[in-house]
Amino acid sequence: EIVMTQSPATLSVSPGERVTLSCRASQSVNSNLAWYQQKPGQAPRLLIYGASTRATGIPARFSGRGSGTEFTLTISSLQSEDFAIYYCQQYNNWPPKYIFGQGTKLEIK
Amino acid sequence: QVQLVQSGAEVKKPGASVKISCKTSGYSFTTSYIHWVRQAPGQGLEWMGVINPGGGGTNYAQKSQGRVTVTRDTSTGTVYMEVSSLRPEDTAVYYCARVGGYSGYDYYFDYWGQGTLVTVSS
Repeated sequence: EIVMTQSPATLSVSPGERVTLSCRASQSVNSNLAWYQQKPGQAPRLLIYGASTRATGIPARFSGRGSGTEFTLTISSLQSEDFAIYYCQQYNNWPPKYIFGQGTKLEIK
Repeated sequence: QVQLVQSGAEVKKPGASVKISCKTSGYSFTTSYIHWVRQAPGQGLEWMGVINPGGGGTNYAQKSQGRVTVTRDTSTGTVYMEVSSLRPEDTAVYYCARVGGYSGYDYYFDYWGQGTLVTVSS
């Protein structure tokens, strides 16, 4: 089974900074990787799929890179509304099993 | 517009069952798989199961096998998830989510329900 590992667990950053979140797969998931943002009390929101394609309506400050086992999500200039928890999710294998990373919490420094 | 609207919060005793609904609208119901994901308080996301609304085929997480059943009603565009033999550790927010890819196997989720809190307590 594929295990998704995100790092770091928590990241303290200031508004306006550039930040990069990491997600590693225990074996190749090709480019079948999505990123979600979740704010308290809300459902996750799709940001990126196919490792690098922004979902509809997602601002250009969000970008995804990677393939195989190493992936990153970069937010070029943090806005106040970006402080949330971010999850990566692989969709390379069928049937699904443990598909989500454990999340990275972005908090205000 | 695409919408997934879930049923309301539930409080159940250990050993009971709960059935949550996810009513879809704004797209052709049979063309997109629906998955269920849960989130225990303060925890991450856990995949539970999936249904192909077209053919009715299902798949479940190993942890869910035997206690979780996902069904659908094509006449109303609604998917249901029933969890039986509830335990306190089943306390979580349960989400339904629609597959965004053209293939059911491209299971990233572009639309989510608002979540249903299930509390299991004696």
